[in-house]
Amino acid sequence: GAVVSQHPSWVICKSGTSVKIECRSLDFQATTMFWYRQFPKQSLMLMATSNEGSKATYEQGVEKDKFLINHASLTLSTLTVTSAHPEDSSFYICSARLTGADSPLHFGNGTRLTVT
Amino acid sequence: AQSVAQPEDQVNVAEGNPLTVKCTYSVSGNPYLFWYVQYPNRGLQFLLKYITGDNLVKGSYGFEAEFNKSQTSFHLKKPSALVSDSALYFCAVRVSGGYNKLIFGAGTRLAVHP
Repeated sequence: GAVVSQHPSWVICKSGTSVKIECRSLDFQATTMFWYRQFPKQSLMLMATSNEGSKATYEQGVEKDKFLINHASLTLSTLTVTSAHPEDSSFYICSARLTGADSPLHFGNGTRLTVT
Repeated sequence: AQSVAQPEDQVNVAEGNPLTVKCTYSVSGNPYLFWYVQYPNRGLQFLLKYITGDNLVKGSYGFEAEFNKSQTSFHLKKPSALVSDSALYFCAVRVSGGYNKLIFGAGTRLAVHP
């Protein structure tokens, strides 16, 4: 149980275009999902907390107009990288938690974004 | 500030030998601690957690971790390493309040040699 599906697994796009990444909880409902970014050989950096039916909460330094998050249902959150630039190239990972603050986060398999 | 430290970038161990991956933390209040493993180009997989109770926590794939409150540590251990254990390991702590988000250590790469 507690499977998180992320799509696409990799994407290549040109500078100036936008890319949407989907994160789905397949067998549970997730009121809250988390979006992380991981640079090569580095740790995960929390970008934002996605909340079903309300605005996302962004971490300090993350541009909310650049990284649009929509959590339209209890099983789907999307991250759209708008007007992508090469420096946005990274590994993006979403996660969700079953109910309860002590429940572990379950992660998607990540999306490798390359902006050319 | 709440934080997690993994002092070793890489740990090398021979197959069959015991392994330890170190983690120390700094939190306010009681810590909720987690270990995750990441294989190349994949998301993270949950290994184990400490919330309360016994200081020795057992998790997936034969891993265990020991919570030490006085040393503020939560080291990951395994009695006998396998080559397939080679991966990137992350320690994480829950930040209380808000959405109970997790913050991660920098990660430790474990290399198990045949």
